[in-house]
Amino acid sequence: DAKTTQPTSMDCAEGRAANLPCNHSTISGNEYVYWYRQIHSQGPQYIIHGLKNNETNEMASLIITEDRKSSTLILPHATLRDTAVYYCIVRVHGGATNKLIFGTGTLLAVQP
Amino acid sequence: EPEVTQTPSHQVTQMGQEVILRCVPISNHLYFYWYRQILGQKVEFLVSFYNNEISEKSEIFDDQFSVERPDGSNFTLKIRSTKLEDSAMYFCASSGQGLETQYFGPGTRLLVL
Repeated sequence: DAKTTQPTSMDCAEGRAANLPCNHSTISGNEYVYWYRQIHSQGPQYIIHGLKNNETNEMASLIITEDRKSSTLILPHATLRDTAVYYCIVRVHGGATNKLIFGTGTLLAVQP
Repeated sequence: EPEVTQTPSHQVTQMGQEVILRCVPISNHLYFYWYRQILGQKVEFLVSFYNNEISEKSEIFDDQFSVERPDGSNFTLKIRSTKLEDSAMYFCASSGQGLETQYFGPGTRLLVL
């Protein structure tokens, strides 16, 4: 089972920042937080990942709380093409498994 | 930018037939994966493959399924005798090392009639 909790759905106005929360209260010290998104049954698309520091790339920013029990994915200027299901996944580095365990994610609907 | 490709994009088959889904992972990647997504459900892990052998598989990946890397570029998923419940999107993914980011292909939509 997925080790994260996300809201089922969120709306965001086009051009505004989209802030997608994720709870991972049972995260362990060697688990990273990964974000993927899936646009209408296309393949999951990697967005960003982090361990404890905030991370930023050309797609998004990832803010991880100091206790690492939750995080927020920020899309700074959402566009209609950002409408997708966003998955927050915790994944160990150095463990016995490489598999990704997907939950149900958050359906982000960007409104014009 | 390198990407994972999959063929065919759509496949329709009769129950009981064999299907082979093909993937070309990113060229310098070493770890390969198959996932599937039944319509309206979660993305589910099927199998991971490294160094020409299966490194992990899920309960879904039973004897009807097999994977192969027949040459230096392709990675295939074979379903020997398809069932109605095999209808799903099948996604291939690859990563440079086992613990690095996995990149997914666009998927093959399999419909078993």
